[in-house]
Amino acid sequence: GIQVEQSPPDLILQEGANSTLRCNFSDSVNNLQWFHQNPWGQLINLFYIPSGTKQNGRLSATTVATERYSLLYISSSQTTDSGVYFCAVEGSNYKLTFGKGTLLTVNP
Amino acid sequence: NAGVTQTPKFQVLKTGQSMTLQCAQDMNHNSMYWYRQDPGMGLRLIYYSASEGTTDKGEVPNGYNVSRLNKREFSLRLESAAPSQTSVYFCASSRWTSGQETQYFGPGTRLLVL
Repeated sequence: GIQVEQSPPDLILQEGANSTLRCNFSDSVNNLQWFHQNPWGQLINLFYIPSGTKQNGRLSATTVATERYSLLYISSSQTTDSGVYFCAVEGSNYKLTFGKGTLLTVNP
Repeated sequence: NAGVTQTPKFQVLKTGQSMTLQCAQDMNHNSMYWYRQDPGMGLRLIYYSASEGTTDKGEVPNGYNVSRLNKREFSLRLESAAPSQTSVYFCASSRWTSGQETQYFGPGTRLLVL
């Protein structure tokens, strides 16, 4: 099946800093989504982005499908951004495969 | 609008016991999913249901069964629990709008099998 690798596995920032999270995938995808899991375990969909660029407030995402990677940018980070960020992709089997995530800690 | 709800929130089982995890959504979504999340790993798909009356296996279906009772409800059953099934279980539903999918997750069920 399709492989999904996220980097870095862990990231510690000071409030106000910017960060870039990366997702590499092994095959062409029909669907790519970014999720945030807060420290209490709740999962929230951030972006549906199989290609192109989207922005939502301080967050933006870019997927370069031909090169099989996606980037999630967080600008002016806040403590509420802490948690785990997951990339999930859907290949030819029409099922979402999740990466192992990036654990982000934003310190005040 | 409650979104996706799951019961119970926490459960302890002994090896060999059975239980059913309940999931319901009030967003009129066709597709529903069951995932498990283990420490240090992403979510893995157990089963999904593309529409009422249909179910299909995901990445890790062994030891589980599902029932799509109606459009709102999708239950996950462990017939004979094993310690390897200790995990956090998430139910999700999804909608497609303007060519893009959004998955909505429940709060999760923490299951401990002794």
